[in-house]
Amino acid sequence: GENVEQHPSTLSVQEGDSAVIKCTYSDSASNYFPWYKQELGKRPQLIIDIRSNVGEKKDQRIAVTLNKTAKHFSLHITETQPEDSAVYFCAAPPNGGSTLGRLYFGRGTQLTVWP
Amino acid sequence: EAEVAQSPRYKITEKSQAVAFWCDPISGHATLYWYRQILGQGPELLVQFQDESVVDDSQLPKDRFSAERLKGVDSTLKIQPAELGDSAMYLCASSLGTGTGEQYFGPGTRLTVT
Repeated sequence: GENVEQHPSTLSVQEGDSAVIKCTYSDSASNYFPWYKQELGKRPQLIIDIRSNVGEKKDQRIAVTLNKTAKHFSLHITETQPEDSAVYFCAAPPNGGSTLGRLYFGRGTQLTVWP
Repeated sequence: EAEVAQSPRYKITEKSQAVAFWCDPISGHATLYWYRQILGQGPELLVQFQDESVVDDSQLPKDRFSAERLKGVDSTLKIQPAELGDSAMYLCASSLGTGTGEQYFGPGTRLTVT
């Protein structure tokens, strides 16, 4: 998407290590930041999201942090497992938090977890 | 658990031919999205419906693409004529209402234009 940049494009980690994927956005008024996981040949699925009124959200081994000042948000996966291997996409609404629900997606990060 | 349905799953067509994709969203979801996903990239929105109305088609190449959701339930995306550059995965997604929130994706239609 034109206002969402995602890094890195590929990430390889050893099972049990942590993985961090970072996205930056351009509009300081953006207010919703989801992360989707897409396994090979499958549909994207929401794994976690955060709204701009909080700085961090956790769900078991995954967490998302939001830095509104720097306009970036990150996905953290701890104790990685081979089944975490997938492409992860971040997303953000355009133009200050669209009320229409539209999202711009990052280009994706291919995460590979080696056993 | 209810899921978004799409058909066909795969489509091979020759350039200049017409092709159509169908999507059935989760029952009760008012908002429906069509995305195009080129290999190695994130989904890119083509068109968004709220019930039967188009609310965003700014990225839809209207000279060859059309979309409809006549009764506010299922939807069809058409390409006529198809071009080689249209080869991609076409994803449909739905969400419960307007505003930000989880979008549920279908399995997609993989289009190959030869």
